[in-house]
Amino acid sequence: QVQLQESGPGLVKPSQTLSLTCTVSGGSISSGGYYWSWIRQHPGKGLEWIGYIYYSGSTYYNPSLKSRVTISVDTSKNQFSLKLSSVTAADTAVYYCARLPRYNWNFDYWGQGTLVTVSS
Amino acid sequence: QTVVTQEPSFSVSPGGTVTLTCGLSSGSVSTSYYPSWYQQTPGQAPRTLIYSTNTRSSGVPDRFSGSILGNKAALTITGAQADDESDYYCVLYMGSGWVFGGGTKLTVL
Repeated sequence: QVQLQESGPGLVKPSQTLSLTCTVSGGSISSGGYYWSWIRQHPGKGLEWIGYIYYSGSTYYNPSLKSRVTISVDTSKNQFSLKLSSVTAADTAVYYCARLPRYNWNFDYWGQGTLVTVSS
Repeated sequence: QTVVTQEPSFSVSPGGTVTLTCGLSSGSVSTSYYPSWYQQTPGQAPRTLIYSTNTRSSGVPDRFSGSILGNKAALTITGAQADDESDYYCVLYMGSGWVFGGGTKLTVL
């Protein structure tokens, strides 16, 4: 059973960089066939796709966030990471990592989500 | 930028049938958008109900079904139950990435 777990600071100061890591267990990122995704949900609001990465390092970002987002992968640790720069209060959200198989385009496994608050 | 539209809220009686839709502010939804549907209860991560328009995810009851109705993707719940009261999100592949709808809050009463 594949499991994903987000980790990282729950509080980030405005203008700083938000950094989160997703650790994957029960499956190998380097096996290929999946996009490893970040999705966020503002409090009481809907979901927003941030971007994803393939095990090879190819990345795809939401155009509205592209200038501030970096997603990277560490196959040796079976982890992938999110960095969001120059954060403001508008980036306060629950951040989820999720798996997207290329063969069915279904976000089939999700982490439990982690709340990141941007505040001084 | 094209917006993915969903009804903000919907109500259905227990045992009733409800169809939630997922459209575009400009244009029509087709299977090429790989529409999928997720159910989310408070404090939980979303759970897949339907992907690639009409494929039911493993373990999802067959009272949930997906389709294209007219120019929108649709999620139909037949024989609604109390525990179907949740938020429902659709997501579409837009070429430049994935765009979620704003979600529909379904009340069963």
